Order: sequence, then structure tokens, then C-alpha cells
Amino acid sequence: GNSVTQMEGPVTLSEEAFLTINCTYTATGYPSLFWYVQYPGEGLQLLLKATKADDKGSNKGFEATYRKETTSFHLEKGSVQVSDSAVYFCALVNYGGSQGNLIFGKGTKLSVKP
Amino acid sequence: ETGVTQSPTHLIKTRGQQVTLRCSSQSGHNTVSWYQQALGQGPQFIFQYYREEENGRGNFPPRFSGLQFPNYSSELNVNALELDDSALYLCASSLGGPHTEAFFGQGTRLTVV
Repeated sequence: GNSVTQMEGPVTLSEEAFLTINCTYTATGYPSLFWYVQYPGEGLQLLLKATKADDKGSNKGFEATYRKETTSFHLEKGSVQVSDSAVYFCALVNYGGSQGNLIFGKGTKLSVKP
Repeated sequence: ETGVTQSPTHLIKTRGQQVTLRCSSQSGHNTVSWYQQALGQGPQFIFQYYREEENGRGNFPPRFSGLQFPNYSSELNVNALELDDSALYLCASSLGGPHTEAFFGQGTRLTVV
């Protein structure tokens, strides 16, 4: 079946530190991959996506590259800010089926200290 | 273009009761999906509606049911509430069918006591 595994948190960093949140997936076929962010008390916001192997998604200084050979989609940011504190979810959609439901990892909580 | 709106934002129910959660999808979006997010977990897919028909269902019991209306708004109904139903319920809508980008509402926090 399809599944997503992401590194457990919480992750605590100082402002301007480098961020990596690991994500690996299991899926049949060719899924699309996503990172969502959830700020306290809010719903999910799409951060970035990649729809095929070797694609790089990027947004707001965050990047992730779709690596089919390692079935990974690690999230990176070169210099985090306090405002990046949130929970980050890796997710996939396997468009091989009739429905396009997202399958999420458990989330990684990021806290950035000034 | 308005966003996805869910109501109510918070709700407290007693075990055994029934609850209805509502979702007003983004303008013109014909697909609505519902997710359950337990505390500290990722969202789990409940079901999806496409043009008023159920278009897939996750691993949830039949006491979780739903509707999509002609204006594409949607309801999630849960009967015989259990303590484990306490969670954040998220609605997501898509414009071009099930295989297009989903936009999430802010969620309804349900507490079952």
C-alpha cells in the first residue's frame, strides 16, 4: 500500500540555522509528493509539491526534490526564521486510483528560537 | 474567490450523540474530501465526494457518513460518537476533480466527553 514516513520531532533550531526534515514514501506507480504546513490553530497550507521524479518544489525559501531512486522527498531551508515554527507534513497522492486522496506522514513539529 | 469555510470551529459532544460538521467549498470546486486528524497525528482520509457522489472512502466505519449538495458544499455526519472520535476534522476542496490540488479549511475541533 501507500505510506509516508517522516522524521519524528520536535525539531528545535536557532534562527538562521539550516533545516532538513526527512521524508520517505512507499507507493505503487508514480505518486505526486507534497509538503504541507500547519500553523497553530489553523488548517493545512500547501507549501510545495513535485509531480515527477527529479522535480524540485520550492516556496518561501523551502525546497524539496523528488528522488525516486531513494523514494525520498526531504524538506530543506537554508536559514529558518521564528515565523517558520509550525508542524510540517509530508504527503503523497497516488493518481493511479480513481480518487485523489492525500496520504500523510505523522508530521514534524518545528520550533525556531530567536 | 473565497476560501474553504468550516463550521463550527469547535464543538463538544457526549459519547453516543450524533454530530454534523459543515464545509463550504471554495467557489466552483466540485470535489470535497474529509480528513480526521487526531492529536499529534497526520490527517487520515475519511471520504471524498465528486459532483455529489461518493468517490472513495478510507478505513472508517459506516457511522461516518457524508453528503455533497448541488452547490458543492458538504456535510460530515458521525453517529454514536465515541471518545476516540475526538479530533480535528478537515475539509478540503478541489476545482478540477479528484486529481487536482486540494485547498483546506481551518478545521472543526470535535471533543467527545
